[in-house]
Amino acid sequence: GQQVMQIPQYQHVQEGEDFTTYCNSSTTLSNIQWYKQRPGGHPVFLIQLVKSGEVKKQKRLTFQFGEAKKNSSLHITATQTTDVGTYFCAEASQSSGTYKYIFGTGTRLKVLA
Amino acid sequence: EPEVTQTPSHQVTQMGQEVILRCVPISNHLYFYWYRQILGQKVEFLVSFYNNEISEKSEIFDDQFSVERPDGSNFTLKIRSTKLEDSAMYFCASRSTEAFFGQGTRLTVV
Repeated sequence: GQQVMQIPQYQHVQEGEDFTTYCNSSTTLSNIQWYKQRPGGHPVFLIQLVKSGEVKKQKRLTFQFGEAKKNSSLHITATQTTDVGTYFCAEASQSSGTYKYIFGTGTRLKVLA
Repeated sequence: EPEVTQTPSHQVTQMGQEVILRCVPISNHLYFYWYRQILGQKVEFLVSFYNNEISEKSEIFDDQFSVERPDGSNFTLKIRSTKLEDSAMYFCASRSTEAFFGQGTRLTVV
């Protein structure tokens, strides 16, 4: 079945260090979305990437979609304790006229003050 | 800001009992979803719902599961005879251009 893998599974960083999570698919992705889930919380939409090679920025967060549309990355510059949580990539896969979201395995980020 | 509302926040049930998880999607959204997340694991797709019918379901969504939109606002997930392995956080989501998730219902089957 469709699999979207993320690495690393866990990452501990010191506050102020950078962090990157990678999302990889065995098939070409039509698009990629990124979500953040705080501990005990629910997934919250961050951004969607659609075009090959697309790069988008949100403050300290940089999102990139690979040229072949098989991978994506999320980079956080100078992490803060508020960045703690699990970051999921997801593909919005269309079939039967609607979308379903296939989530990656997630990267759990812990930021040490 | 509009939000997806789920009730109850936590449900404990005996194995074999039926449970109904309730969701109120964002009012102008047309696409609805149920996901589940076993503790510490990824978010798994269960079912999508559009135009008052299921548009897609996963292998997890077997005959024990059903969904309903009984009154045009609520969107429910029913598990007929719960098993221990149904214990998980269940998230409802609704979508316009992006998906908004509810706070989730933590289901514990004992």
